[in-house]
Amino acid sequence: GAVVSQHPSWVICKSGTSVKIECRSLDFQATTMFWYRQFPKQSLMLMATSNEGSKATYEQGVEKDKFLINHASLTLSTLTVTSAHPEDSSFYICSARAVRDTIYFGEGSWLTVV
Amino acid sequence: GEDVEQSLFLSVREGDSSVINCTYTDSSSTYLYWYKQEPGAGLQLLTYIFSNMDMKQDQRLTVLLNKKDKHLSLRIADTQTGDSAIYFCAAMDTGRRALTFGSGTRLQVQP
Repeated sequence: GAVVSQHPSWVICKSGTSVKIECRSLDFQATTMFWYRQFPKQSLMLMATSNEGSKATYEQGVEKDKFLINHASLTLSTLTVTSAHPEDSSFYICSARAVRDTIYFGEGSWLTVV
Repeated sequence: GEDVEQSLFLSVREGDSSVINCTYTDSSSTYLYWYKQEPGAGLQLLTYIFSNMDMKQDQRLTVLLNKKDKHLSLRIADTQTGDSAIYFCAAMDTGRRALTFGSGTRLQVQP
C-alpha cells in the first residue's frame, strides 16, 4: 500500500519553544492531508484538514495560531506547535488521501513538552 | 456529524475467529475503514469497503456491511497472537471528507 512518513517519531522540547512535525506521502501525491491528535488509550481526534496550496481547515476548538499547518507541496504537510506547553504533549498522527478515497496514516509523532 | 461506536474490548483464543463490531450514524458515508494500531505506532490500513458493497474478503479478513442498520463488522479468521492490537473502525464524513473514528476495540489473543 501507499506510504506516509512522519518525522520526527519522537521529540522533546522545552515549554515555550516551537516544534515542527513533517508528514510526507512517499509514493503518491496528496492534495489533502489530515492531522489528528491521540491521547493515551483514546481514539483519534481530527485537528485540521490540510489542502495543498490553500489554508488549512481547523476543527472546532483547535487553535489555528497554536497549531500552524502548511501544505506547500503535493507530498508534504507540516504541523508546527507554537509556544508549546506540557498539555500539548500527545501523539500526533497525519494521514493523506490517495486514490479512491483510501486514506493512509503516518507512523505518528510523540511530542513531550517539559 | 458522524458518530462511530465500537465495543472496547474483545478476548479470543489463538486459532479462533474474532468479530469486531461497529455502528455509524451517517447513512451517506461512502467508505468505511478498518485500521489496526499496535502500541506506540501509527495506524495500519487493514481494509475498507465501499458503501454499495455488503461484503469484502481479503485473506483472513472479512468485512460485512449492513447499510440498513449502519452496522459494520470485521472478522479475523484463525486469529494469531500477532493480531493483538487496537482495531479502529472509521467512516468517511461526507461533508468534510475526513474520517471519524470509533473508540477502538482492544483485541487480546490468548495462546
